[in-house]
Amino acid sequence: EPEVTQTPSHQVTQMGQEVILRCVPISNHLYFYWYRQILGQKVEFLVSFYNNEISEKSEIFDDQFSVERPDGSNFTLKIRSTKLEDSAMYFCASSEASGGYYNEQFFGPGTRLTVL
Amino acid sequence: AQSVSQHNHHVILSEAASLELGCNYSYGGTVNLFWYVQYPGQHLQLLLKYFSGDPLVKGIKGFEAEFIKSKFSFNLRKPSVQWSDTAEYFCAVNGAGGGADGLTFGKGTHLIIQP
Repeated sequence: EPEVTQTPSHQVTQMGQEVILRCVPISNHLYFYWYRQILGQKVEFLVSFYNNEISEKSEIFDDQFSVERPDGSNFTLKIRSTKLEDSAMYFCASSEASGGYYNEQFFGPGTRLTVL
Repeated sequence: AQSVSQHNHHVILSEAASLELGCNYSYGGTVNLFWYVQYPGQHLQLLLKYFSGDPLVKGIKGFEAEFIKSKFSFNLRKPSVQWSDTAEYFCAVNGAGGGADGLTFGKGTHLIIQP
């Protein structure tokens, strides 16, 4: 069964460094998403992406964050200058369509980001 | 702003007991509703979803949920739980109007089934 994959599974970085989290969505999906979950808190939506541009973003997704689909398969989340509070599990998701029955979002296993 | 409230953060049941996990949402419009499950060490998986039609939806592993529009609720049920149902359960909502609408999640319910 096709699945969303994410690399790395765990990333440790120093405060102020840039990190890039990578995702490979399911191949025929058109909509891509990033979420994060700070330890002990709820899963929070960051951004959605369609047709090579941001479709929707939350208040969390400020200028420190950017997303890109650099080729036909990868979808990346970049954090420009990491802060301690960016430590979280980051989930990528993809969906086949935007509305109705095919709006189901499939999640990857997550990347645990630790900022020291 | 939309929100999802899950009433029970930790639930402990014995095998064969019946389960009901509460979920209420606040959203200004027509919604899609979801229950996701996260087994220990695994990623989020969809249990069931409601888009339209019959408000009683059936999902995988014997789970079902009922959408009660007047109560803004989407409670998850299972008549007889098993030890393998031990997991974190998340209720989520997004808008039904199309577009790449992000999901709003509840805080989750940690379910422990004792053998």
